[in-house]
Amino acid sequence: GNSVTQMEGPVTLSEEAFLTINCTYTATGYPSLFWYVQYPGEGLQLLLKATKADDKGSNKGFEATYRKETTSFHLEKGSVQVSDSAVYFCALSLLTGANSKLTFGKGITLSVRP
Amino acid sequence: ETGVTQSPTHLIKTRGQQVTLRCSSQSGHNTVSWYQQALGQGPQFIFQYYREEENGRGNFPPRFSGLQFPNYSSELNVNALELDDSALYLCASSSRQAPDTQYFGPGTRLTVL
Repeated sequence: GNSVTQMEGPVTLSEEAFLTINCTYTATGYPSLFWYVQYPGEGLQLLLKATKADDKGSNKGFEATYRKETTSFHLEKGSVQVSDSAVYFCALSLLTGANSKLTFGKGITLSVRP
Repeated sequence: ETGVTQSPTHLIKTRGQQVTLRCSSQSGHNTVSWYQQALGQGPQFIFQYYREEENGRGNFPPRFSGLQFPNYSSELNVNALELDDSALYLCASSSRQAPDTQYFGPGTRLTVL
């Protein structure tokens, strides 16, 4: 079946540090890949996406590149801020007929210290 | 542009009761999906609705059911509540032009005692 594996957390960084959050996937077919962010007490916000191999998604300083050869979609940011503290979910979507369900990883909590 | 809205925000029920959660999709979106997010976990797909019909279902028992209305809003109904149904229930909407990209509401926190 389809699955998403995220690195174990939590992750604690100092402000302005470099961030990498690893994500790998297993899928039958060619999925679209996503990163969602969840701030405390809120729903999920779409952070970025990539729909095919070698695509790079980017938003708010975050980037992730769709690597088909390594089945990965690692999230990076060059300089994190306290406001980036949240839970980050990697997800994939495969169109099956007209159904497009999202399969999520377990999520990782990022805490950024001033 | 109006985003996805859900009601109520919080709900407390007792085991064996029934609950209805509501969702209004983002304007221009005609597909609604529901997810269950247990504490500390990623969301799990419950089902998806398109044109008022169920269009895919995850590994949830039949006591989880739904509806979609002509205005694309949706309801999630859960019968015979169990303690393990305590979770954040998330609704997401998408358009037919970009079906793989889903936008989420703030969720309904259900607590079953």
